[in-house]
Amino acid sequence: GQQVMQIPQYQHVQEGEDFTTYCNSSTTLSNIQWYKQRPGGHPVFLIQLVKSGEVKKQKRLTFQFGEAKKNSSLHITATQTTDVGTYFCAGPDSGTYKYIFGTGTRLKVLA
Amino acid sequence: DAGVIQSPRHEVTEMGQEVTLRCKPISGHDYLFWYRQTMMRGLELLIYFNNNVPIDDSGMPEDRFSAKMPNASFSTLKIQPSEPRDSAVYFCASSEGILNTEAFFGQGTRLTVV
Repeated sequence: GQQVMQIPQYQHVQEGEDFTTYCNSSTTLSNIQWYKQRPGGHPVFLIQLVKSGEVKKQKRLTFQFGEAKKNSSLHITATQTTDVGTYFCAGPDSGTYKYIFGTGTRLKVLA
Repeated sequence: DAGVIQSPRHEVTEMGQEVTLRCKPISGHDYLFWYRQTMMRGLELLIYFNNNVPIDDSGMPEDRFSAKMPNASFSTLKIQPSEPRDSAVYFCASSEGILNTEAFFGQGTRLTVV
């Protein structure tokens, strides 16, 4: 079945440093979504990318969808303690359209 | 809208007991999803409904798990009998559609089976 992997699994950064998480799918995706889950919280939708090579920005967050639509990345510039949490990508299964969540990257920001 | 509402927030039960988790989706959302989250397996989709009808239950781990959606505003996930390995956080989510729409997650139910 379809698999969605993310790297790294964990990342500790000093406040002010940049952070990037990578998402790779075993199949081509029609779109990809990103969610953030704060410690003890629930996943919250951040953004959706649809087009090949698409780049979207939300303040310090930059999201990119690969040209082949099999990978994506989330880059955070100058991390802050409020960025702490686990970031998930999710892509729809080509047959059923249900979203398969990636393994997640847990970000810890050291003040 | 108050968002997706789950109850209880925490549940501690003894092995062998029946556990029922409850979810109220956002009004107007046609899709409802049940997820399980553990450190080992991450976020897994257990089952989802469209207009109260179960569409895909391939993620339900065993016959001990069952889910119902008697109406558009209520769903339950039942585990009977419960086992320690069922300990996890169970999330309910709802969305307007299945593709190209964001899912709204509830606060989750943290289940501990001892």
